[in-house]
Amino acid sequence: EIQLQESGPGLVKPSQSLSLTCSVTGYTITSGYDWSWIRKFPGNKMEWMGYISYSGNTNYNPSLKSRISITRDTSKNQFFLQLNSVTTEDTATYYCARYYGYFDYWGQGVMVTVSS
Amino acid sequence: DIQMTQSPASLSASLGETVTIECRATKDIYSNLAWYQQKPGNSPQLLIYDTNNLTDGVPSRFSGSGSGTQYSLKINSLQSEDVASYFCQQYNNYPWTFGGGTKLELK
Repeated sequence: EIQLQESGPGLVKPSQSLSLTCSVTGYTITSGYDWSWIRKFPGNKMEWMGYISYSGNTNYNPSLKSRISITRDTSKNQFFLQLNSVTTEDTATYYCARYYGYFDYWGQGVMVTVSS
Repeated sequence: DIQMTQSPASLSASLGETVTIECRATKDIYSNLAWYQQKPGNSPQLLIYDTNNLTDGVPSRFSGSGSGTQYSLKINSLQSEDVASYFCQQYNNYPWTFGGGTKLELK
């Protein structure tokens, strides 16, 4: 069974960087598909942030392009999100998900609050 | 970006009732639309992809339809376990975008 699990700090200070890890089990991230980060804001708006492909290519939402980086560690079957210069508007629940046009497997999500 | 306008934002219905949720795109998305169900405390679950294809295990009371810019999710004979939020998502054009969600409650 494919499972994704996010991990990372739940509180980040404004202007700092947000770093999250998605650990994947049941599927090797280099075997196929794209591996995405999505966030859901308070009030329910959802935003696709970007992905890293099975081959290591990345694609980011232009709204975040200057602040976001998605990388991976294939030896650990993990991929990572780094979001720089965060503000309170980055407070959200962050999900990692497998992408196949649509998102067919999701992690449980991690709530991240940006606050001093 | 393609904007996805989802309606209604909230919906109250009785058990056994049929409910319809709609999504309108700002341009043609050529049926590249998915629907997700999110129950409180859980992550979104894929219900329907490519407008009308049910994911394995999704009850047949769920159905999707539409084309062009107009799409809908229909739930026949509403059950208590269908209480959730529902989101549409287009994957025809980058960046992929979501509707604002519909919160479905029991009357």
